[in-house]
Amino acid sequence: KNEVEQSPQNLTAQEGEFITINCSYSVGISALHWLQQHPGGGIVSLFMLSSGKKKHGRLIATINIQEKHSSLHITASHPRDSAVYICAVIARDGGATNKLIFGTGTLLAVQP
Amino acid sequence: EPEVTQTPSHQVTQMGQEVILRCVPISNHLYFYWYRQILGQKVEFLVSFYNNEISEKSEIFDDQFSVERPDGSNFTLKIRSTKLEDSAMYFCASTLPGTRETQYFGPGTRLLVL
Repeated sequence: KNEVEQSPQNLTAQEGEFITINCSYSVGISALHWLQQHPGGGIVSLFMLSSGKKKHGRLIATINIQEKHSSLHITASHPRDSAVYICAVIARDGGATNKLIFGTGTLLAVQP
Repeated sequence: EPEVTQTPSHQVTQMGQEVILRCVPISNHLYFYWYRQILGQKVEFLVSFYNNEISEKSEIFDDQFSVERPDGSNFTLKIRSTKLEDSAMYFCASTLPGTRETQYFGPGTRLLVL
């Protein structure tokens, strides 16, 4: 069983649409990360959350610790947002190393 | 902006050969990681390194794997005798201490074992 689950696995949207990607996790966490992976493979950190909500440009990330759930929202989506979006957590009892436990990712395609 | 770099970007090797993947973490970072991603699968943790020693390793990180920081800047992953199933993208990451710190990823090395 995956400790981090994402939905949907694939998402196709029209330019300008509001997009939501969901992440559920089964372990107690210290922090949750949203990451972006482009077709070339590189991984970029978008947000680190331990509570509440964060906003950066058109991206908004929220987390509900009690429900073990996080969402990533993209407002006014654009074709350049097309990428794989990955949720990853740091388990609270995962030791001092802060290793990331990754979800399987959501492949987003935004069509013009 | 500081970044993590990795070399080579691509490597093709024959099964049984040794490979060394190199990473230069961000200079003031103290924790270093190797992750791998088999094509079409999720990213998996391999090993973490702190204070010149392994702090944690996964089940994947068996005796064929080793890491070292030979000169205070480079961070290397060695696979002694590669197998077909070692074909993957290998990512290096580094971070400052603390759970609330961003992990910065390198661009990855795509390893293909034939």
